Order: sequence, then structure tokens, then C-alpha cells
Amino acid sequence: GAVVSQHPSRVICKSGTSVKIECRSLDFQATTMFWYRQFPKQSLMLMATSNEGSKATYEQGVEKDKFLINHASLTLSTLTVTSAHPEDSSFYICSAKRAWDSPLHFGNGTRLTVT
Amino acid sequence: AQSVTQPDIHITVSEGASLELRCNYSYGATPYLFWYVQSPGQGLQLLLKYFSGDTLVQGIKGFEAEFKRSQSSFNLRKPSVHWSDAAEYFCAVGEKTSYDKVIFGPGTSLSVIP
Repeated sequence: GAVVSQHPSRVICKSGTSVKIECRSLDFQATTMFWYRQFPKQSLMLMATSNEGSKATYEQGVEKDKFLINHASLTLSTLTVTSAHPEDSSFYICSAKRAWDSPLHFGNGTRLTVT
Repeated sequence: AQSVTQPDIHITVSEGASLELRCNYSYGATPYLFWYVQSPGQGLQLLLKYFSGDTLVQGIKGFEAEFKRSQSSFNLRKPSVHWSDAAEYFCAVGEKTSYDKVIFGPGTSLSVIP
């Protein structure tokens, strides 16, 4: 089946630094990838839709300049949390779909802790 | 705009007992519907999906769900729960036209008593 790999699984960074999270589709090409954020004991909130070769589409309330998304190839999307603050600490999950009518396949998530 | 509700925040069942997790959605047309399961600190795994056709869908791990248009529901069921089923369960709805946005419900946490 389809596999989505997310790296790193855990990262701790200092306040003010930037962190990059990678999301790769390992056995299929994904023209569209999605980034979600999940707070403890809460559901997944869609942050942005990442489209290969074009700008990402951000959901309302998500800061574009803070959460930089790049989808440089059909198998890789990256999320960079810039100038991280403790309130950015969260669980970030990426997902991808093989085709327009296929379900989402999820990575295992990245636990970000900003100290 | 579509939305998903899961009325039960937390459910506890005994191992071997039957299970039903409720899900209600709000969407203008026939939606795509999904159930995902999440183990602690992990990503999400697709249990089953409904796109069209037979309203009773079978999934992995012995789960099934029934789409009831009149009730705007997509409840998840399992006849006999195993201790390894303890996890967080999310119902989700996707737009049928673009299928770009998938909105998740708040989740139901399942605990299984041995």
C-alpha cells in the first residue's frame, strides 16, 4: 500500500529558531499533500494544502510567513516553522493522496517542542 | 461548509463486547466519508471509506460502517472488541467535487477493559 514518510518524528528546538519537517510519498507520486496540526487530545486541524509546483493554499488563520510550505517535487513537501515559539509546540502530521479519488495516507507525525 | 460531529468523547468497553462509535456529518451533497484510527503518538490509519454504492462498508481489523443518508450518519461498528483496538478514532468527511479538503471530527477515545 501507499506509504508516507515523515521526518523527523521528534524535534526540540529553541525559541526563535526554525525547524523543517519533511513529508515524502515513498511509493507513489502525490500532486497534493496536506499539513495538519493536532493539539493534545484534540482533532486534526488542516493548516494548508501543498500543491506541487505552485504556492500552498493556507486555511484561514494560519500564518503563511510562519509556516512555510514547499512542494518541490511529486514526492516531497516540506513545512518550515520559522521563528518558533513555545505556542508552536504541537504534533504536525502530513498526508498525501495518490489520485483525486483516493483516500488520504498519513505520515506518522512530528512532535515539535519549542523551549 | 461541511462539518463532522462525534458525540462521544470517550467510550470504555470490555474486551469481547460489541462497539459502535457515532458520527454525524453536515454536507450539502453526498460526501466522501472515512474512519481513521490513531494510536498514541502516531499518524492516522484508514479503517474504511464510503464513496458510493453499498451503504454498508467493510474495513480492516473487522470494522464496518453504515452510511445512513436520512440520518446524516456514518457509525462505526465492530462485533467483538480486542484490547489492541484501544485508540483514538476519527470520523472524517471529504468534498466529493474536489476531494481536496478532508475535515475531521473531534475524535472518540476508546478504552478496552480486559
